[in-house]
Amino acid sequence: DTAVSQTPKYLVTQMGNDKSIKCEQNLGHDTMYWYKQDSKKFLKIMFSYNNKELIINETVPNRFSPKSPDKAHLNLHINSLELGDSAVYFCASRGLAGGYNEQFFGPGTRLTVL
Amino acid sequence: GENVEQHPSTLSVQEGDSAVIKCTYSDSASNYFPWYKQELGKRPQLIIDIRSNVGEKKDQRIAVTLNKTAKHFSLHITETQPEDSAVYFCAASNRGQAGTALIFGKGTTLSVSS
Repeated sequence: DTAVSQTPKYLVTQMGNDKSIKCEQNLGHDTMYWYKQDSKKFLKIMFSYNNKELIINETVPNRFSPKSPDKAHLNLHINSLELGDSAVYFCASRGLAGGYNEQFFGPGTRLTVL
Repeated sequence: GENVEQHPSTLSVQEGDSAVIKCTYSDSASNYFPWYKQELGKRPQLIIDIRSNVGEKKDQRIAVTLNKTAKHFSLHITETQPEDSAVYFCAASNRGQAGTALIFGKGTTLSVSS
């Protein structure tokens, strides 16, 4: 079974549109994340979400908003898409088992804004 | 906040040679240091990790060393093979803090030629 899944895998859209990426984990983890990987491969944390506590990277524009309907899901909504939003977005999760250790990544969503 | 520096950004070796990637971190509260391997078009996957109470850890051809005093840690790959070619990321975080994300270095592209 897939531990962390994301949909869609590819997303091509026009500037100015609003889009969502979904993420689900079946590991029973209590913390989920969104990372952005740009064209230079740099993995940068966008959000951490733990038991309804949201930690936001201050550099993330407020056009990006995470939404968590329950502990197993953390979706990413993006409003008014810009060219610079094109990147691969990875969801990840991490659980408390003797301390927060391995972080599991989803397969990624490649977003292309035209 | 935590800042992780990684060197070199690219590394080319011949099959059978050893490869070493080095990282430094800034936050003395960080106590968990994983290494992830990312193949082209795939998600990052954990290959080895080390906690701050350990100075060295080995898993077959891969080893990681940690110097807490100097705040640096390194990945060593021996007897490299073409399938080791990938982007490698080091990261740092605090295991005890819920919601704390992994902070990644900028990655090292390793190329192993046969």
